[in-house]
Amino acid sequence: TQLLEQSPQFLSIQEGENLTVYCNSSSVFSSLQWYRQEPGEGPVLLVTVVTGGEVKKLKRLTFQFGDARKDSSLHITAAQPGDTGLYLCAGAPNAGNNRKLIWGLGTSLAVNP
Amino acid sequence: DSGVTQTPKHLITATGQRVTLRCSPRSGDLSVYWYQQSLDQGLQFLIQYYNGEERAKGNILERFSAQQFPDLHSELNLSSLELGDSALYFCASSVGVIGPPNYGYTFGSGTRLTVV
Repeated sequence: TQLLEQSPQFLSIQEGENLTVYCNSSSVFSSLQWYRQEPGEGPVLLVTVVTGGEVKKLKRLTFQFGDARKDSSLHITAAQPGDTGLYLCAGAPNAGNNRKLIWGLGTSLAVNP
Repeated sequence: DSGVTQTPKHLITATGQRVTLRCSPRSGDLSVYWYQQSLDQGLQFLIQYYNGEERAKGNILERFSAQQFPDLHSELNLSSLELGDSALYFCASSVGVIGPPNYGYTFGSGTRLTVV
């Protein structure tokens, strides 16, 4: 069974701090997606990474896919209260088939003003 | 507003009962996915429909069933409810049956089901 482990499970930081959250697996994924979920809402797609070693930037968020396509990280620079939420990673085991994504349990981030 | 509409937003019902959750996908999306989210197990894929046909099944219990109608809206039926069925149920939609790697899901706001 393929699993995605996210760490840390909870993170509480002050506004302006930097942070990194991780998504790790022993299995290879053809692609990996990051979502942010706010209370009372569904997850919202942030980015998809496909190529091993790929780095994508979305404003203050930097996403990296591991060379072996088994892990990924999300780095947030100068966190803001609006970044608060549950960050989920989801991996597609097979190329061209993302209907059975494997989901991590998420990192719950709280950014305090 | 994501474009995916789920109703109702909250549902409280007793054990043994049957409920129906409804989802309207984003305009133009043909695939509908149902997910269950609980604190201990995270997001669990239940089932996918594409243009009215079942295309993939995940960890869906036999007490649960779903369908997608000609107008592409979908319903998830949960019967003989147990306390452990209490969870958030999300519907998501996407354009195609498989979806290119860069296409993510568009999720609705979910239905919070509480079984008492």
